[in-house]
Amino acid sequence: GAVVSQHPSWVICKSGTSVKIECRSLDFQATTMFWYRQFPKQSLMLMATSNEGSKATYEQGVEKDKFLINHASLTLSTLTVTSAHPEDSSFYICSASPRTSGYNEQFFGPGTRLTVL
Amino acid sequence: DAKTTQPPSMDCAEGRAANLPCNHSTISGNEYVYWYRQIHSQGPQYIIHGLKNNETNEMASLIITEDRKSSTLILPHATLRDTAVYYCIVRAPTDKLIFGTGTRLQVFP
Repeated sequence: GAVVSQHPSWVICKSGTSVKIECRSLDFQATTMFWYRQFPKQSLMLMATSNEGSKATYEQGVEKDKFLINHASLTLSTLTVTSAHPEDSSFYICSASPRTSGYNEQFFGPGTRLTVL
Repeated sequence: DAKTTQPPSMDCAEGRAANLPCNHSTISGNEYVYWYRQIHSQGPQYIIHGLKNNETNEMASLIITEDRKSSTLILPHATLRDTAVYYCIVRAPTDKLIFGTGTRLQVFP
């Protein structure tokens, strides 16, 4: 149980285009999902907290207009990188907390590698 | 800012115990110690967590000092597949997971 999937697993796009990444909790409902970004040889950096049915909360320094987050259902959150540029190339990872646990448990997806040419 | 300090890297021979230390001298009474690991190019994997008692599961053991200012994650019989970055994280149950730099464990044959 407690499986989180991400789609796509990798994506290559041209500079200036937008890319959508999906995060799904497959066998549980998640009121809260988190989005992280990881550059090569660095640690995970929390970008935003996504709550079902409400606006996401972004960490300091993360542009909310560039990284659009939608959490429309209890099993799906999406991250859209708008007008992507090469510096947005990174490994994007989501995690989800089951509805009954608050933040106590977090299960991570496998990550999406974005390359912007 | 991360609330923990870990050595940047460690080596361990396959089949031996891997003991990964973590310092968290400013831990608060309601904060737990969590351990995650990240194998290359994958999402983090939960290992274990504890408050003040030692904990053991099928993956590892967690030893927390009596003053709770440090802890050690023990992988009893390391295998090559345990090569990963191990993150020690201190958080209260409703806090966000904030990752530090972790310890890169290399298990060698």
